[in-house]
Formats: sequence, C-alpha cells, structure tokens
Amino acid sequence: EDKVVQSPLSLVVHEGDTVTLNCSYEVTNFRSLLWYKQEKKAPTFLFMLTSSGIEKKSGRLSSILDKKELSSILNITATQTGDSAIYLCAVEFLFEGGSEKLVFGKGTKLTVNP
Amino acid sequence: DSGVTQTPKHLITATGQRVTLRCSPRSGDLSVYWYQQSLDQGLQFLIQYYNGEERAKGNILERFSAQQFPDLHSELNLSSLELGDSALYFCASSVAGLRGAEAFFGQGTRLTVV
Repeated sequence: EDKVVQSPLSLVVHEGDTVTLNCSYEVTNFRSLLWYKQEKKAPTFLFMLTSSGIEKKSGRLSSILDKKELSSILNITATQTGDSAIYLCAVEFLFEGGSEKLVFGKGTKLTVNP
Repeated sequence: DSGVTQTPKHLITATGQRVTLRCSPRSGDLSVYWYQQSLDQGLQFLIQYYNGEERAKGNILERFSAQQFPDLHSELNLSSLELGDSALYFCASSVAGLRGAEAFFGQGTRLTVV
C-alpha cells in the first residue's frame, strides 16, 4: 500500500530554535513531493520537489529530497511563533491506469513558544 | 485568500441525509481536487476532475460522488450520511493535472453529522 509517513507527529520548541521535520514515503512511480503549511484552515503550498539533492529555499524555510532514501526534510531556522502550524507532506505518484494520485502524511504539529 | 471558494462553510445535518458541497476554483484553473480531513485520518484525497472529466480517484466511498461542470465549478455529493462522515472537506484547484502542479486550497466546509 502506498504511504507517506511524517515524523515527529508533534514538536514543541522555543522561538529561535531550528527544527527539522521528516517525511518518508513508499510509493511506486514517484512524481513529486510537496510540503504544505496548515494553520487554521486551508493548507498553503510551501515547496515542490522533484529532483533529488536540490534544495528549495524560501526565507527561513528549506527543503531537500533524497530519492535514494525515499525521504525529504523540511528545515525551519530561527523559528517564530508564527511558524506554529501543522506541516503536511504529500507525495504525487502514478496510479494504476496511468492516473496520478496525491497521498498526504498525517502531518507534524509544530508549536513555537515565545 | 487562495482564490478557491467553498460553500457552505459549516453544515450540520442528520444521519441518513444527503448534502452537496460546492467549490469554485481559481480563475483559469482546470483541475479540481476534493479532500476529506478528519482528526484520526489526516488529509485524504477523494477525487480529482480535470476540465470536466474525472481524472483520478482516491479513497472515495460509493455513497459519495462528484462532478465538475462546464464553468469548472465542482460539487461533492455525500449521501446516506453517517456519523463518521463528519470532517472538514477541502477543495483545491490547480492549473494543470497533478503532475506536481501547485494546488491552492479553499477554506473548507466543516460537515457535522448528528
């Protein structure tokens, strides 16, 4: 069964700390891996990764994909209270019949305390 | 604001009933995706439509159905509702098919079945 596993499930840190969130996957016909941030309601897109070893960066957030290890990490440096959210990892892959499918992990709940 | 509009925002209904959730995608987006998010299951992909046609199917129950209309808005129909169907239902849209395209999420419809 295709699956996406995120760890840790929950993380509490202090402002200024650096955190690393993990996502591992077991899918066939991998296409891409996406990271989303979910605060109160709708997830918002952070990164899409398709090539192994290439780091995507946006401010204090960065992510890298390791296709050999079937995993990705999301780093957040100098965390702020506004980074508190659930971070979702999703993997896109080719399903039976040639259609694409997107599977989400259960997320990592990050709490940044002042 | 992602540009994806979902109505209604909240819905409370009794078991056995049928409801329709509506989604208007961002202007220009051809793909619409439906997701179900419950506390214990995380974000589950239900179904995707691309330019009016079903493109990919996920963990969608037979009691659920969806369609995308010529004006590209989509509706998710949930029938014979059960208590376990209570969840947050998200719609997302993207320009193209899943092929790693960034999907923008609506604010969701919270369905409560009593």
